[in-house]
Amino acid sequence: DSGVTQTPKHLITATGQRVTLRCSPRSGDLSVYWYQQSLDQGLQFLIQYYNGEERAKGNILERFSAQQFPDLHSELNLSSLELGDSALYFCASSVATAANYGYTFGSGTRLTVV
Amino acid sequence: GNSVTQMEGPVTLSEEAFLTINCTYTATGYPSLFWYVQYPGEGLQLLLKATKADDKGSNKGFEATYRKETTSFHLEKGSVQVSDSAVYFCALSGAGSGGSNYKLTFGKGTLLTVNP
Repeated sequence: DSGVTQTPKHLITATGQRVTLRCSPRSGDLSVYWYQQSLDQGLQFLIQYYNGEERAKGNILERFSAQQFPDLHSELNLSSLELGDSALYFCASSVATAANYGYTFGSGTRLTVV
Repeated sequence: GNSVTQMEGPVTLSEEAFLTINCTYTATGYPSLFWYVQYPGEGLQLLLKATKADDKGSNKGFEATYRKETTSFHLEKGSVQVSDSAVYFCALSGAGSGGSNYKLTFGKGTLLTVNP
């Protein structure tokens, strides 16, 4: 157990729908990062939050949004889902804003859009 | 921008064979370098890291040396086991201040299969 908790582990939904993925960071970590992993694109950085504030955005679609709550858990909202959004979504956490010492990853949410 | 290139897989070895997975990077300044491992059905786990040139990261028999002159961070293990079968990712974090070092940039991953 890495200490980073992601729910649900699996999600199957239809095109056009909206889903919410949840992440609880490791105790003491203030930064949360979201990544998408797909066979063709590999691991793509989506967004980072630090202590409730958005710090950096990567290749995140406008249909996707995220937030980090006062208790530091984070949610990634995916809307108007398309078949191409099917992927593994990972959350990671770290103590600081910088990645110089690496992250701790959760076990991921596998999203299947049908 | 930053990028990581690692050798294409899959790599198939027999137990007790020597492992090398090549990784080269492009980055400005002095990034930190990482190897992560992903076992089937699991998230990525940090395997080892190095934060400055000539540092050697090591863990569980795996080693990698930060070579700035060749911009490389090759992963090696002297004797692999079946339990080492996994996908291995090389990654770097940016070297600058502000927003450039907030994220890890990953290579595409190398699938290693070790046969008994």
